[in-house]
Amino acid sequence: DAKTTQPPSMDCAEGRAANLPCNHSTISGNEYVYWYRQIHSQGPQYIIHGLKNNETNEMASLIITEDRKSSTLILPHATLRDTAVYYCIALRRMGGGADGLTFGKGTHLIIQP
Amino acid sequence: GAVVSQHPSWVICKSGTSVKIECRSLDFQATTMFWYRQFPKQSLMLMATSNEGSKATYEQGVEKDKFLINHASLTLSTLTVTSAHPEDSSFYICSALQTGGYNEQFFGPGTRLTVL
Repeated sequence: DAKTTQPPSMDCAEGRAANLPCNHSTISGNEYVYWYRQIHSQGPQYIIHGLKNNETNEMASLIITEDRKSSTLILPHATLRDTAVYYCIALRRMGGGADGLTFGKGTHLIIQP
Repeated sequence: GAVVSQHPSWVICKSGTSVKIECRSLDFQATTMFWYRQFPKQSLMLMATSNEGSKATYEQGVEKDKFLINHASLTLSTLTVTSAHPEDSSFYICSALQTGGYNEQFFGPGTRLTVL
C-alpha cells in the first residue's frame, strides 16, 4: 500500500470547517483513499473513502486531486467532539479477503472552543 | 448497523496468567477479523488476521503461541494472551470486515489490558 503523509497536528475553531490534508504521491491506480479517526481511548471510526471522484457523506467530504497524489478531508462544521487523531490510508479495495490497515501517525485535530 | 463489540472493556491480571478477549460483530457476518495493538501515544499496529474456520495469519514479530486467535464463527473471534507479562499491557482493538463488503473495517471499542 502506498505511503501517506499527514501533518502531525492541526487546530480548528469550533463551528468552522476543518480541512485535513494528506499526501499520497505513490498511490497506484487500484488504491483507494480511506479516512478513519480515533477519539482518545476508543476504537477507530470509519469516515469516508474514495478513488478519484470527490465524495460526501453525513460525516465529511473527501476531495481528491485530479492526479490523485493528494487529498483533503473536510469536516464542514467542526465540533468539540471532532477532536481526534485522523488517519489517511491508501488501500486496495477488495471484496471478501482483505488486508489489515497500516496506520501512520495521523493528524491530531484539536477543535478549539 | 455495523456494530462491533469487545469484551471485556478492561482487564487487570497478574503476570503469568492468560487473558481472553472476545470480539463480536453484532449485526453482520464477518469472514475476516483483525486484531490490533496500540501502546500509549503510538498508532495501532496490526497483529494478526483472523479468518473464520482457518488459522490466523500473524504479522512479523508477533508470537503466534503467545497470542492465540480463534475465529470459530462468522460473528466471533477471540484473542487469548497466554502467560501475560507487564510488557503485554496495551490497548487491544479488533476490527471486522463485513462478508461481501468492501474493506470498510468496523472497529470494536478496544480492551485495555494491564498486567501487574
